[in-house]
Amino acid sequence: DQQVKQNSPSLSVQEGRISILNCDYTNSMFDYFLWYKKYPAEGPTFLISISSIKDKNEDGRFTVFLNKSAKHLSLHIVPSQPGDSAVYFCAASATGTASKLTFGTGTRLQVTL
Amino acid sequence: NAGVTQTPKFRILKIGQSMTLQCTQDMNHNYMYWYRQDPGMGLKLIYYSVGAGITDKGEVPNGYNVSRSTTEDFPLRLELAAPSQTSVYFCASSYSQGSAYGYTFGSGTRLTVV
Repeated sequence: DQQVKQNSPSLSVQEGRISILNCDYTNSMFDYFLWYKKYPAEGPTFLISISSIKDKNEDGRFTVFLNKSAKHLSLHIVPSQPGDSAVYFCAASATGTASKLTFGTGTRLQVTL
Repeated sequence: NAGVTQTPKFRILKIGQSMTLQCTQDMNHNYMYWYRQDPGMGLKLIYYSVGAGITDKGEVPNGYNVSRSTTEDFPLRLELAAPSQTSVYFCASSYSQGSAYGYTFGSGTRLTVV
């Protein structure tokens, strides 16, 4: 049972344009959501997070939107840069679960020149 | 500031052999985790610990054991390695629940069981 789903395995975007990565979840107990970025042969690195009490969080070029009623979140990267090419994982946790994260399967983003 | 350090980076094991994957963190984080990542899949939680002396099973604990004798170290033990344990293993730590900065991950151990 995949509780966190990233239905697009890959995405290609031109440099300077917007990248939109999507994530859906099924567990209504999830109340904290995070995005991680992963380069080959490295561990994932934290990118941005959002609590369920918010519907938007921004950090520079990165914005995460949360739609609780649809159980959907998205990561927007504007403008996209070649260094953004990586695999992006969506993750979720529920209060009282020792911050255990449930991860999606990842979306590989390729930013082309 | 090293963060989370995992050793070894690569290992090939024969079926039935045992090994310990080492993980140490220098951030004084209470929470530590072991995940595995199979090709094309997300990370699956194997075991976690909320403090020294306290460990608990995650989603895929079978075939593994852990211990947490100190805040810094959280080794993962594989007994009787099987081909199904071929994977990339990531150790992670976090300061507390709901940390706004999420986990800090190690760089991973790529394990092949033949």
